Amino acid sequence: QVRLVESGGGVVQPGKSLRLSCAASGFTFSSYAMHWVRQAPGKGLEWVAVILYDGSNKYYADSVKGRFTISRDNSKSTLYLQMNSLRAEDTAVYYCAVSLGATLAYIDCWGQGTLVTVSS
Amino acid sequence: EIVLTQSPGTLSLSPGERATLSCRASRSVSSSYLAWYQQKPGQALRLLIYGASSRATGLPDRFSGSGSGTDFTLTVSRLEPEDFAVYYCQHYGSSPPMYTFGQGTKLEIK
Repeated sequence: QVRLVESGGGVVQPGKSLRLSCAASGFTFSSYAMHWVRQAPGKGLEWVAVILYDGSNKYYADSVKGRFTISRDNSKSTLYLQMNSLRAEDTAVYYCAVSLGATLAYIDCWGQGTLVTVSS
Repeated sequence: EIVLTQSPGTLSLSPGERATLSCRASRSVSSSYLAWYQQKPGQALRLLIYGASSRATGLPDRFSGSGSGTDFTLTVSRLEPEDFAVYYCQHYGSSPPMYTFGQGTKLEIK
């Protein structure tokens, strides 16, 4: 079955950088769009970014545009999120997720998440 | 930008009762682009409904989705203990791709 395992979270100071990874298995990784979605403590879900199956197109939420970069390595079935110029408001659990359908309209499967805390 | 407003914020019901959760969009949206998710502590989020009314694979038929335009509903016909969770609706905007979530409804045991 589909398995998505995030890693790389931790405590980081404001203005610093962090890279998250997501190891995928149980499906043909190179065929599907992948997402990052985050959830601040006690809050709702916020979509962060999506990358199409071949990495040719990437789209971002306005809140992270210019600071975060989504990428993928299809040879390793791994998704990444490079987060630069981190702010306190970026503190959240970050979920890796995949759209397995013919459309990007919904997100089929999610990982368990990795916590990023931005604090001095 | 579409804003999704879910109501109520918290719904207190007993097992066996019927739950009706609402998701209202700030303007009319395509039903094809409306989905529902379930979140339980310690578990991965789960897709329940896509295209406003299509059940995800393996979803019990006590869950159903309906609606169009600006008003959408997730109904659980007879609550089981495992159904108590937080539920989110989500809209997909296609040009460019972006995703908006409602603020969530917590379904708790009364």
